[in-house]
Amino acid sequence: AQKVTQAQTEISVVEKEDVTLDCVYETRDTTYYLFWYKQPPSGELVFLIRRNSFDEQNEISGRYSWNFQKSTSSFNFTITASQVVDSAVYFCALSEYGNKLVFGAGTILRVKS
Amino acid sequence: KAGVTQTPRYLIKTRGQQVTLSCSPISGHRSVSWYQQTPGQGLQFLFEYFSETQRNKGNFPGRFSGRQFSNSRSEMNVSTLELGDSALYLCASSPDDSTVNEKLFFGSGTQLSVL
Repeated sequence: AQKVTQAQTEISVVEKEDVTLDCVYETRDTTYYLFWYKQPPSGELVFLIRRNSFDEQNEISGRYSWNFQKSTSSFNFTITASQVVDSAVYFCALSEYGNKLVFGAGTILRVKS
Repeated sequence: KAGVTQTPRYLIKTRGQQVTLSCSPISGHRSVSWYQQTPGQGLQFLFEYFSETQRNKGNFPGRFSGRQFSNSRSEMNVSTLELGDSALYLCASSPDDSTVNEKLFFGSGTQLSVL
């Protein structure tokens, strides 16, 4: 069965600090996709990144970076120099087929000025 | 392009009633998925429709149903409402015409309260 664990329930940082959100997943399939979504107070989930199980290349996009390690089944997300606007709930998700996503419980990120 | 539109934004119903939620996907998107979000269970997949056919279904009772129209607009229906059905219902669309796991574009959701 698929499972996504985000052990960090809530993280508080001061603006300009770096913060890493952890995600550990379980799946028996060899082909799968991993996602990070952000949910601001307005409610809609905003797509951040997608990775397939064959692409372990880590990526940096502006202040965001991702670390995908199949050996440890982890897909962590880092925000460099955090800003107040980064405050949101961040969800890690796993998909094996179609658009059926299994989400983690989410991590609340609070960035204080 | 307009985003995913969900109506209504808020809804209050009583136990035993039924409710219909509406979702208009981004123009050109053919896949529509529905998710339920509650504080206790988190985000859970309800079902996905593609070209008016249910392509995938989550683990919810038969009281939860949906459909998709020829213009890709989708509705979901919950019959015989229970208190536990109180949740934020999110609709998501994607342009895909295959089983490739595309990124999803979410609406702001319908907040359903069952009293």
